Amino acid sequence: NAGVTQTPKFRVLKTGQSMTLLCAQDMNHEYMYWYRQDPGMGLRLIHYSVGEGTTAKGEVPDGYNVSRLKKQNFLLGLESAAPSQTSVYFCASSVQGARTEAFFGQGTRLTVV
Amino acid sequence: AQSVTQLDSQVPVFEEAPVELRCNYSSSVSVYLFWYVQYPNQGLQLLLKYLSGSTLVKGINGFEAEFNKSQTSFHLRKPSVHISDTAEYFCAVSTTGDYKLSFGAGTTVTVRA
Repeated sequence: NAGVTQTPKFRVLKTGQSMTLLCAQDMNHEYMYWYRQDPGMGLRLIHYSVGEGTTAKGEVPDGYNVSRLKKQNFLLGLESAAPSQTSVYFCASSVQGARTEAFFGQGTRLTVV
Repeated sequence: AQSVTQLDSQVPVFEEAPVELRCNYSSSVSVYLFWYVQYPNQGLQLLLKYLSGSTLVKGINGFEAEFNKSQTSFHLRKPSVHISDTAEYFCAVSTTGDYKLSFGAGTTVTVRA
């Protein structure tokens, strides 16, 4: 069982470069989320999706874009990376919103220099 | 909007001793409460959740938590910890109709022999 898979696991970017993080889930979940984790701040929601073709902003959406063209995939894009986006990024999915268990990927450690 | 406060950022504890991790929440409506655990270099996984009913909730790995509505708390306990319980623990809250979780800042538990 793969669950939630994130690609890549590690990445170093230069300021101003762009990249896309891929999240894939094989559990047929409707809801998908992108969080960032920073020391002492817990997890903060960047964007989320409640179904294929839908996206919505979370707490900290600035500098990020997302797309959900297929139900199983949720892409997070950084158009022009900044050092403040150095973080660990987690993707998660759930069956039916926030009262059901969220399943998390292993994380992507991104460093912007 | 709801929020979560984890009262301890670091909890050192000796093996086989009990541990309690404190979590307080604020919300003007009914809440759903969760504890997630993150082992080193891994994603988060669900320990336990409170949706309704009995205020004492039992989870995996011998953990339990008690929902106290009057004190707006959801403290996590384990009567006897193991070295393998060394991890970061996150309290999270959501409300009816909400699609997403709000996480606390996390509590790092270090178990020593």
